[in-house]
Amino acid sequence: NAGVMQNPRHLVRRRGQEARLRCSPMKGHSHVYWYRQLPEEGLKFMVYLQKENIIDESGMPKERFSAEFPKEGPSILRIQQVVRGDSAAYFCASSTDGNYGYTFGSGTRLTVV
Amino acid sequence: GENVGLHLPTLSVQEGDNSIINCAYSNSASDYFIWYKQESGKGPQFIIDIRSNMDKRQGQRVTVLLNKTVKHLSLQIAATQPGDSAVYFCAEGAGRRALTFGSGTRLQVQP
Repeated sequence: NAGVMQNPRHLVRRRGQEARLRCSPMKGHSHVYWYRQLPEEGLKFMVYLQKENIIDESGMPKERFSAEFPKEGPSILRIQQVVRGDSAAYFCASSTDGNYGYTFGSGTRLTVV
Repeated sequence: GENVGLHLPTLSVQEGDNSIINCAYSNSASDYFIWYKQESGKGPQFIIDIRSNMDKRQGQRVTVLLNKTVKHLSLQIAATQPGDSAVYFCAEGAGRRALTFGSGTRLQVQP
């Protein structure tokens, strides 16, 4: 079992470009969570998805950010028109049943220049 | 790595000593608590968890203590090893699936 796979590991975007972060959950996991970590801070919840459904997006910024978890393929976190403040590490986690015992991936480090 | 910041509180211990990392949580409705270890450039790694109906839980070399009266959580690591050096986060959950993370403590183990 390869664990939660995130790619790319590092992503550099210029201000105004779009960033697409991908997360493949562990095999058999149908629940996906996205968290953001700013330097020197803990992780902040962004969104919780099941296949084809957004369950809780209370941590997502109202503009420019969107997430999906299609029936086939990885979960995607999309950031449009990136700004410097979007620079952070973005972590994905997955679980089988939506309970807290989930597994994190290694993250995508987004740098906006 | 970006998760090991200059301003994180730091605990320095000698190899072989016991370590105690503390965490204050804010939500009295939280019913689930978990400790994660994060090494530089990696994602959080599960260490141990505890539900609110317990006040102590032990794992291999680790013990979590929960004091709901003062909303305090601690992680004890026995016989600390250099491989334990990392940033440690506590996190709490309150019914919905999202976890709320604390700000982290950096553990440095001196050989």
